[in-house]
Amino acid sequence: AQRVTQPEKLLSVFKGAPVELKCNYSYSGSPELFWYVQYSRQRLQLLLRHISRESIKGFTADLNKGETSFHLKKPFAQEEDSAMYYCALSGRAAGNKLTFGGGTRVLVKP
Amino acid sequence: EAGVTQFPSHSVIEKGQTVTLRCDPISGHDNLYWYRRVMGKEIKFLLHFVKESKQDESGMPNNRFLAERTGGTYSTLKVQPAELEDSGVYFCASSKLPGPYEQYFGPGTRLTVT
Repeated sequence: AQRVTQPEKLLSVFKGAPVELKCNYSYSGSPELFWYVQYSRQRLQLLLRHISRESIKGFTADLNKGETSFHLKKPFAQEEDSAMYYCALSGRAAGNKLTFGGGTRVLVKP
Repeated sequence: EAGVTQFPSHSVIEKGQTVTLRCDPISGHDNLYWYRRVMGKEIKFLLHFVKESKQDESGMPNNRFLAERTGGTYSTLKVQPAELEDSGVYFCASSKLPGPYEQYFGPGTRLTVT
């Protein structure tokens, strides 16, 4: 069975401080890992995916297959980063449906 | 390009009533997914259409839920009869074939069963 765990429900950081959101997963096979973000009063949207290896809005995430982790990091948090972040997993064997973690609310204080 | 749309945005019904949620995917997206988030829980997969065919309905909670996708375009999700535990936010997402492409989400329908 596939599972995604986000251990932190809430992360509160000051503007300019680093932020790291943890994500661990379990999946039999080759997973696709994603980070989705939902800003206040907006729809869920893709932030980044591991295969693209991009940095979006200053965020990066590295897939560590040995530790089955896909942590999201940003060196200097901004107030506009305050949002709900979801780690998600999919795979061809599962029809590409997404399995989500419970989400982490990030609050960036001025 | 119009995004995924969902109707209604919010529905309040009494236990035992019927509610139908609608999702219009992005034009040309053959994959259509339904998810829901009940209070305090994670977003969970309900089912997946490829065009008009149900590809995977393993997440449907019980036979009170019925999903259709007419002609491979919009989709409806009917709950009949609604129970209190059905309250939550129902999301629809669409993507291109064959995948795995980015899934684009609708704004969600907040269902409240009283």
